[in-house]
Amino acid sequence: EPEVTQTPSHQVTQMGQEVILRCVPISNHLYFYWYRQILGQKVEFLVSFYNNEISEKSEIFDDQFSVERPDGSNFTLKIRSTKLEDSAMYFCASSGLAGGAQYFGPGTRLLVL
Amino acid sequence: TQLLEQSPQFLSIQEGENLTVYCNSSSVFSSLQWYRQEPGEGPVLLVTVVTGGEVKKLKRLTFQFGDARKDSSLHITAAQPGDTGLYLCAGARTTDSWGKLQFGAGTQVVVTP
Repeated sequence: EPEVTQTPSHQVTQMGQEVILRCVPISNHLYFYWYRQILGQKVEFLVSFYNNEISEKSEIFDDQFSVERPDGSNFTLKIRSTKLEDSAMYFCASSGLAGGAQYFGPGTRLLVL
Repeated sequence: TQLLEQSPQFLSIQEGENLTVYCNSSSVFSSLQWYRQEPGEGPVLLVTVVTGGEVKKLKRLTFQFGDARKDSSLHITAAQPGDTGLYLCAGARTTDSWGKLQFGAGTQVVVTP
């Protein structure tokens, strides 16, 4: 069964460093999303991406964040200068339809020291 | 922000009992999705409901979408220890959004043998 994959599973970085989180969405999906979940809190929407551009973003997704689909399979989230409060689980999701079923990856646990 | 309220927050029952988890909002959603999440893992999609009044069954799990598409419930019949987990509801709107999911805080279900 097709699934969303994410790498790395864990990332530890120093405050101020750049990190890139990688995702491979389900191959025939067109809508891609990043969410995050701070420990003990709700899953929060960050950004959606369709047709090679950002379609929607939350207040969390400021200038330090960017997304890219560099080729036909990968979808990346870059945080330019990490802050302590960026520590969270980051989930990638994909969907075949806007508003349709979203399938989540296993997540990347990011720890900023 | 359209809030999704889940109740109860925590539910502990004996094996064989039935349970119902509720997901309520004051806003209308285009679709509502139920997930199950294990600690340290990504949400796993259980079902998507899109039509008001819709009922879907997945073995011992029954999902209902309210007529007005503002609320939903998950009912588990004859719960088993394997049903233990965090159940999340998440709503999507396509009228003013590209389908980003708004998550509830979750209901932690514990089924003891």
